[in-house]
Amino acid sequence: EPEVTQTPSHQVTQMGQEVILRCVPISNHLYFYWYRQILGQKVEFLVSFYNNEISEKSEIFDDQFSVERPDGSNFTLKIRSTKLEDSAMYFCASSGPTGQPHADTQYFGPGTRLTVL
Amino acid sequence: DAKTTQPNSMESNEEEPVHLPCNHSTISGTDYIHWYRQLPSQGPEYVIHGLTSNVNNRMASLAIAEDRKSSTLILHRATLRDAAVYYCILRTITNFGNEKLTFGTGTRLTIIP
Repeated sequence: EPEVTQTPSHQVTQMGQEVILRCVPISNHLYFYWYRQILGQKVEFLVSFYNNEISEKSEIFDDQFSVERPDGSNFTLKIRSTKLEDSAMYFCASSGPTGQPHADTQYFGPGTRLTVL
Repeated sequence: DAKTTQPNSMESNEEEPVHLPCNHSTISGTDYIHWYRQLPSQGPEYVIHGLTSNVNNRMASLAIAEDRKSSTLILHRATLRDAAVYYCILRTITNFGNEKLTFGTGTRLTIIP
């Protein structure tokens, strides 16, 4: 069964450094998402991406964050200058199309654990 | 997004059915009811979804109340691998199709061997 993959599984960085989290969505999917989960808290939506542009973003997704689909397979999340509070699990997801929007379930990757020191 | 209410935690014995309730009294006519689960140290995983009729798939069944103000996810025979946090999520589908998922705190299901 096709799956979403993410690299690295764990990233440790110093505060103020840039990080790029990488995702390979399911190959025929057209919609891409990033979510994050701070330890012990809810899964939170960050951004959705379709047709090479952001379709929706949350208030968490400020100017320090950016997303890109640099080629036909990768989908990346960049944090330009990491802060301690960016420490979290970051999940990539992809969906659709199936021709039935209500059935476009999202498939999540295993996550990247980001630790900011 | 319309709000859902779930119990914080539930326990069930292995190999017995589990009924996970969800209240969504403010659901609108265009909201689909989706269930996802998150196994320990993994990303969320789709379980099932429905609109008005009860639904079955290989993982679970979804029973939806006639007034749609509540639903129940049914695991027919729980195994230890079903221990997870289960999320009931309402999705309003627009013509655009893809919608973010808004996760609540979900129900933490513990399976007792």
